[in-house]
Amino acid sequence: GENVEQHPSTLSVQEGDSAVIKCTYSDSASNYFPWYKQELGKRPQLIIDIRSNVGEKKDQRIAVTLNKTAKHFSLHITETQPEDSAVYFCAASIWFGNEKLTFGTGTRLTIIP
Amino acid sequence: SAVISQKPSRDICQRGTSLTIQCQVDSQVTMMFWYRQQPGQSLTLIATANQGSEATYESGFVIDKFPISRPNLTFSTLTVSNMSPEDSSIYLCSVPHPLAKNIQYFGAGTRLSVL
Repeated sequence: GENVEQHPSTLSVQEGDSAVIKCTYSDSASNYFPWYKQELGKRPQLIIDIRSNVGEKKDQRIAVTLNKTAKHFSLHITETQPEDSAVYFCAASIWFGNEKLTFGTGTRLTIIP
Repeated sequence: SAVISQKPSRDICQRGTSLTIQCQVDSQVTMMFWYRQQPGQSLTLIATANQGSEATYESGFVIDKFPISRPNLTFSTLTVSNMSPEDSSIYLCSVPHPLAKNIQYFGAGTRLSVL
């Protein structure tokens, strides 16, 4: 089955700086890669996703890049703000496959004011 | 996105007892997913609940420990049976987007503590 590794497990950045979180996946059949943000005590919420037919997707201050050959994808947050502090999870699945998501281990991001 | 109501939001239980968690969705969905999130850990899929058929369990999870019901297209329950302190976790249900089933929306979760 799919295995998703995520790094780093914790990340602290100064407010205004950029943050990058990286994930690698093992199953070459995976072609859908969402990112979820989970604030303390809250439910995971989808913040951005990418399918394997594109290499990059942006939404305001967040972007995701995908390298299919290397089987890794990354989340980029620019101009970080205190409200970006949360745990971020990457995931992988097969679009129009069995719809199961395999999650990475999570990254606790702390924005230092 | 779907509106998902999950109950209870939290509970403290004695070992050896069972707890049933409910998940209600405001629209009909073919699949519902149940996850476990152990303290400080990632989300692990327990099973996929399909209406009208038995749930499909992931490796390491068995029906006797986590029986699931799916009586209709808007409701599901997960029971954590014969609980031990190791079952202390957050349990979450999720449902797929109606047009893009890989996109999942999560309930608020049930925080379970077993003494």
